[in-house]
Amino acid sequence: NAGVMQNPRHLVRRRGQEARLRCSPMKGHSHVYWYRQLPEEGLKFMVYLQKENIIDESGMPKERFSAEFPKEGPSILRIQQVVRGDSAAYFCASSWGQAGNTGELFFGEGSRLTVL
Amino acid sequence: KQEVTQIPAALSVPEGENLVLNCSFTDSAIYNLQWFRQDPGKGLTSLLLIQSSQREQTSGRLNASLDKSSGRSTLYIAASQPGDSATYLCAVYNQAGTALIFGKGTTLSVSS
Repeated sequence: NAGVMQNPRHLVRRRGQEARLRCSPMKGHSHVYWYRQLPEEGLKFMVYLQKENIIDESGMPKERFSAEFPKEGPSILRIQQVVRGDSAAYFCASSWGQAGNTGELFFGEGSRLTVL
Repeated sequence: KQEVTQIPAALSVPEGENLVLNCSFTDSAIYNLQWFRQDPGKGLTSLLLIQSSQREQTSGRLNASLDKSSGRSTLYIAASQPGDSATYLCAVYNQAGTALIFGKGTTLSVSS
């Protein structure tokens, strides 16, 4: 039973380019969460999605960032026109139900974005 | 707004010592509380989940307790080993139950 799969594991972009990070949840999980970990800071919640729906995006920056979780395929976190401050580790997590009610959150290994 | 604080920020102990990591949170109306381990450059590994109705959970050498009324949780590690060296993160859910709020972690170093 594969865990949460994220790719790419490492991504290098120049300022102004776009970054796309992909997350495949654990088998049977339909709830996906994205977190960001900036250097020397803790993990910060970005967005919570179910299939085809954004449930809570209170942690998403207002501009340049978007997320989707289509009916088929992985969840995508998209960052347009990247800036150096976007350099961070982006973690995806999944759960069977809404994790706050039903139990554990399982995390992927993360995607590390470096903006030159 | 829920805030999570972990003390100490870093801890160094010799192998074999028992130790306690502390976590405090400002809003006692929580759902679950979860302890994670993060190795450098890696993802998070779930260690223990304590549901809001529970007071503690145990797994091997790890024991986590939860006191909602005082807004505290502790992670007890017995007979520490060098392989326990990692950053330990405490997290609780926001009021909507949709997002985990993390502390900044305690970085543990166990020397042989």
